[in-house]
Amino acid sequence: DTAVSQTPKYLVTQMGNDKSIKCEQNLGHDTMYWYKQDSKKFLKIMFSYNNKELIINETVPNRFSPKSPDKAHLNLHINSLELGDSAVYFCASSPQGYTEAFFGQGTRLTVV
Amino acid sequence: QKEVEQDPGPLSVPEGAIVSLNCTYSNSAFQYFMWYRQYSRKGPELLMYTYSSGNKEDGRFTAQVDKSSKYISLFIRDSQPSDSATYLCAMRKGSSGDKLTFGTGTRLAVRP
Repeated sequence: DTAVSQTPKYLVTQMGNDKSIKCEQNLGHDTMYWYKQDSKKFLKIMFSYNNKELIINETVPNRFSPKSPDKAHLNLHINSLELGDSAVYFCASSPQGYTEAFFGQGTRLTVV
Repeated sequence: QKEVEQDPGPLSVPEGAIVSLNCTYSNSAFQYFMWYRQYSRKGPELLMYTYSSGNKEDGRFTAQVDKSSKYISLFIRDSQPSDSATYLCAMRKGSSGDKLTFGTGTRLAVRP
């Protein structure tokens, strides 16, 4: 049983394209996140949603737009992809009142 | 200066050694401290979680938090080749919903 699942696992695309990454969690958690991990393995928060409501929006370009259709799903849409967007994007979730986050396996995005 | 500092390594030790991994941080508002293990091309998985200062032990792993020194440690006893991974410290100020702030990770290699 996969707890936090992301699709696709790998994504190679050209500059200027628009792409989406999907995330689903079957843990019943209230909070979901998107993190970006750069080539030096540094993980940085991008967005956080609690019960479909955006609660954290770090300084991320407007080209990135998260969407949470329900509390089990948090998708990430990226417009006009740039070379610098190449990274591994992780979805995570955490239960209400707890502090630990559970991560998906990541989506490795390569922009060429 | 980053909020959380962690030596990137790599750290190479022989099997059976005691490993010490450390992070320092600058923001005294952090209250919850975690260690994640990340294998290559996988998502981070939670190893240890500690609230405020003190020690916590789980099998071969011991987490220590010294809030007065803004210093946290993870000790691995009787290290195994399967412990070879990147270890990320993470911390947050509030409970669920607040973002995790990560260190850059320390790459550990345990030689058979």
